[in-house]
Amino acid sequence: GAGVSQSPSNKVTEKGKDVELRCDPISGHTALYWYRQSLGQGLEFLIYFQGNSAPDKSGLPSDRFSAERTGGSVSTLTIQRTQQEDSAVYLCASSLGLDYYEQYFGPGTRLTVT
Amino acid sequence: AQKVTQAQTEISVVEKEDVTLDCVYETRDTTYYLFWYKQPPSGELVFLIRRNSFDEQNEISGRYSWNFQKSTSSFNFTITASQVVDSAVYFCALSVTGTASKLTFGTGTRLQVTL
Repeated sequence: GAGVSQSPSNKVTEKGKDVELRCDPISGHTALYWYRQSLGQGLEFLIYFQGNSAPDKSGLPSDRFSAERTGGSVSTLTIQRTQQEDSAVYLCASSLGLDYYEQYFGPGTRLTVT
Repeated sequence: AQKVTQAQTEISVVEKEDVTLDCVYETRDTTYYLFWYKQPPSGELVFLIRRNSFDEQNEISGRYSWNFQKSTSSFNFTITASQVVDSAVYFCALSVTGTASKLTFGTGTRLQVTL
């Protein structure tokens, strides 16, 4: 079956611009996660959704970051007024639920802020 | 707070050698899960295994085996008779109660298998 998909695969943007990153989870997976992978910070958790709800946004690096999920499926991570330190690979994962199920990751979106 | 330490940054072995990747974790929770993921050069994280804190049985899957020891807070991963296709970055991760299963990752170990 189809895995987690993310788009775009690569995004180059100028500092100060807004970007939207999209994640399509595996069908039937109720939980969705966003992580960021960068050289300096490794793999870090950003936010999770159970259904369309994001109860814990404390992992988002700043208020320039926001995320939403609609219809219990597609999720969008938005970064406003991008900065060079936002350059990283943004990974999305989904799982059957929140109770310690394994998470399946998408290929990621490589964001480069120039 | 949770922490996962993978002290080995990079390991190089020759094909057919056995190799063990170390993982040490820290948590005050008594209920937790440990994971290993593989990230090949293509970049996509691939799930390998999940173990819960109540099950210390070692597990073997083909050439892969995992040794979980609560006494030393370790969850080590051994690849027997390594192959070039095993070349990747391997991440150990931890998830604890009340955190909605968000993963805390180690910094990863890059394994290079050469002919």
